[in-house]
Amino acid sequence: GEDVEQSLFLSVREGDSSVINCTYTDSSSTYLYWYKQEPGAGLQLLTYIFSNMDMKQDQRLTVLLNKKDKHLSLRIADTQTGDSAIYFCAEIRGAGNMLTFGGGTRLMVKP
Amino acid sequence: GAGVSQSPSNKVTEKGKDVELRCDPISGHTALYWYRQSLGQGLEFLIYFQGNSAPDKSGLPSDRFSAERTGGSVSTLTIQRTQQEDSAVYLCASSLQGQETQYFGPGTRLLVL
Repeated sequence: GEDVEQSLFLSVREGDSSVINCTYTDSSSTYLYWYKQEPGAGLQLLTYIFSNMDMKQDQRLTVLLNKKDKHLSLRIADTQTGDSAIYFCAEIRGAGNMLTFGGGTRLMVKP
Repeated sequence: GAGVSQSPSNKVTEKGKDVELRCDPISGHTALYWYRQSLGQGLEFLIYFQGNSAPDKSGLPSDRFSAERTGGSVSTLTIQRTQQEDSAVYLCASSLQGQETQYFGPGTRLLVL
């Protein structure tokens, strides 16, 4: 099974905030990432957080990191229909810095 | 500037045939990664190249899979004797020196009939 876990689905109304959660297992992870994937497209980097940070804000995006609980979240403020996509969290592992991904959370934004 | 590019965008092949997938990383990026995205397995790491070092092949699922990177730039992922379970989206990513953020290409959608 996956070592990085996410809930499968989230539905919100346009204008509301969305919170997508992720748990990971490797306490030695240095960076944690959020990627967005729209239908038929590749992975678009949204944001990342270094492991010595608790929070990072980037315009409508806020990333919270709880290292004790190995919990990562992505908050999207004022969610728009264009935010509808699958969101993947990922952690860096190993000397090769390969990414280990969660299963993805499908965000649906209703007008 | 130009991002990571991959070709072909889509590939349909018959079981047992060989396929080659190509990745052009961002210019100047020394690290290159291949991942696979399939319905059953999600996103999985396949192989990693960093400069002139020996590649990390720990994610390759079988010896039918191989990859090379010529001149430290373009990479080709080869799947020999394709099977139906090889059907997936193959994603390539690159990063500046292997320690930084990975940027992904649009992927190659492979369908094995």
